[in-house]
Amino acid sequence: QVQLVESGGGVVQAGMSVRLSCAASGFSFRTYGMHWVRQAPGKGLEWLAAIGYSGINKHYADAVKGRFSISRDESKNTLFLQMDSLSIEDTAVYFCARDLTGHYTFDYSGQGTLVTVSS
Amino acid sequence: QSALTQPASVSGSPGQSITISCTGTGSDIGRYDYVSWHQQHPGKAPKLIISDVNNRLSGVSARFSGSKSGNTASLTISGLQPEDEADYYCISYTSSDTWVFGGGTKVAVL
Repeated sequence: QVQLVESGGGVVQAGMSVRLSCAASGFSFRTYGMHWVRQAPGKGLEWLAAIGYSGINKHYADAVKGRFSISRDESKNTLFLQMDSLSIEDTAVYFCARDLTGHYTFDYSGQGTLVTVSS
Repeated sequence: QSALTQPASVSGSPGQSITISCTGTGSDIGRYDYVSWHQQHPGKAPKLIISDVNNRLSGVSARFSGSKSGNTASLTISGLQPEDEADYYCISYTSSDTWVFGGGTKVAVL
């Protein structure tokens, strides 16, 4: 079965960087696009970034463009999100999700990893 | 990219039908039939229930249905049941090659 397991969250100071990982299993990772989505405490879902199956096409929400970078490693079946210049507003649970090919949405999500940015 | 507009909350009694609206613009909902709906229970990951405006995912109850008119998409839950109590989010693909969520709607079963 499809499994997505995020890691790398924790407490980080404002202005610092963190890299999140998402280990994928149960499907052919190299043939699927992937997304990152976040949810601030008590708030709604926010789409952040997507990467095509080849790793070439990348798209970002305006809110994180230039600060966040999505990438993938096929050899490790792992998706990454590099987050730089963090601010308190980036405090959230970060989910990785598998793209539902051809339908412009995502189907499976992980349980998320919490990033807390402190001042 | 502004978030899609959803009502903050909708409620109904068991067995009733409710509809959640999701309003966007001509650059997202109005342009593409790529609106999907996700259900999220507290502390859980979001679950895709409807894709492509009205395509119900395998295993999802037939009580859930989607539609679209112009810049507004809708999710209808028929025969409301206690387990339907959750947050519901619409999301649309946009002309900027990005995606945008609605603010979410909390469904309460009275």
